[in-house]
Amino acid sequence: QFLLTQPPSASASLGASVKLTCTLSSGHSTYGIAWHQHQPEKGPRFLMKVNTDGSHIKGDGIPDRFSGSISGAESYLTISSLQSEDEADYYCQTWGPGIRVFGGGTKLTVL
Amino acid sequence: EVRLLESGGNLVQPGGSLRLSCAASGFGFSTYAMSWVRQAPGKGLEWVAVIDVSGRYTFYADSVKGRFTISRDNSRNSLFLQMNSLTAEDTAVYYCAALYNGGRNPDYWGQGTLVIVSS
Repeated sequence: QFLLTQPPSASASLGASVKLTCTLSSGHSTYGIAWHQHQPEKGPRFLMKVNTDGSHIKGDGIPDRFSGSISGAESYLTISSLQSEDEADYYCQTWGPGIRVFGGGTKLTVL
Repeated sequence: EVRLLESGGNLVQPGGSLRLSCAASGFGFSTYAMSWVRQAPGKGLEWVAVIDVSGRYTFYADSVKGRFTISRDNSRNSLFLQMNSLTAEDTAVYYCAALYNGGRNPDYWGQGTLVIVSS
């Protein structure tokens, strides 16, 4: 059973950039990572998928400020030009036949 | 516009049962494996169950295996979750989610329905 590990919290200033990390457990591989944003009192929102072959797909209306990358066991979600509405929980997630796995989530605070 | 609309959440006593429904529209429902994902108070997202496009194959998190049953009706673009032998640990917001089994298609989420297990 593979695990995805995320730092529980992150913070950055309004207008700055932040890079959130997601680490795949040792000895496992995946075809790609999805990122989801979850704001209080709302349903989660799909941001993007980043595949190990370099391809990616974004959700409807997701601005270019949101980008993702994968390097080995590490996946990254970068948010540039931070806005107050970016304050949320961010979850990485991967998939396989018969399973979906979520990271523990990172709570992003915009200062 | 994609919509996933959950219903059926309620207050239920420990040991009781509940059936959640999800009505989908605006995307190729029959081409997506469908999942239920939950969030307990103060916790992160937890995947609960997934069903393949045909409805023939189902998989569950260890925490609900043997108690929950996921099913779908492609003719009605609907997803279901039958929950039995409920405990306080099942208290959560339950989300219907189209989490595609692959990286070439987007995912979709519902707004959630609240299940409270309490006496």
